[in-house]
Amino acid sequence: QQQVKQSPQSLIVQKGGISIINCAYENTAFDYFPWYQQFPGKGPALLIAIRPDVSEKKEGRFTISFNKSAKQFSLHIMDSQPGDSATYFCAASKGTSGTYKYIFGTGTRLKVLA
Amino acid sequence: GAGVSQSPSNKVTEKGKDVELRCDPISGHTALYWYRQRLGQGLEFLIYFQGNSAPDKSGLPSDRFSAERTGESVSTLTIQRTQQEDSAVYLCASSLVSGGPQHFGDGTRLSIL
Repeated sequence: QQQVKQSPQSLIVQKGGISIINCAYENTAFDYFPWYQQFPGKGPALLIAIRPDVSEKKEGRFTISFNKSAKQFSLHIMDSQPGDSATYFCAASKGTSGTYKYIFGTGTRLKVLA
Repeated sequence: GAGVSQSPSNKVTEKGKDVELRCDPISGHTALYWYRQRLGQGLEFLIYFQGNSAPDKSGLPSDRFSAERTGESVSTLTIQRTQQEDSAVYLCASSLVSGGPQHFGDGTRLSIL
């Protein structure tokens, strides 16, 4: 019940295209869902996050779509660029109680072709 | 510095040796977390600090692993009698308050020979 399932494992997108990464969770107590971007040799960097009281959040080219009833959320990268090539992780936590630890998905390696 | 700082960035040691990994959180951040990232995998939670107390140690894999934090500052993760399966990147994160966004350091890459 603590798992966060992420797909696809890897993704290749043409420059200018839309990259879509999906995550699903089981624990309905989760109430904070961040996405992280990680470049080789670096720590994860927070991209965007959402709470379940909204169905969508947009920041620049990055959008999170959230479906509470399906217990799924996704990251959309619009106008994907070669500089977006990185590994992306979704996560979930009980942000309002408990220990606030993040449960991470297994990651998606994105390659954007020039 | 403005971000989370971890040292050393790389550590190579022989099986059976003890290692200490250090984390300097962002100044003023009260919550601190340790995670482990095995090659090609996601991050696994190890331990969480609020101030210098550790309300959740549930992710520590064995009693060879321990961690402490001094006030709302530096934390050290200690691994005793290292094993080859301990080889991983150990990441530290901090947040201004518990439940706030976590900001990660670049990690310590630990290799056990």
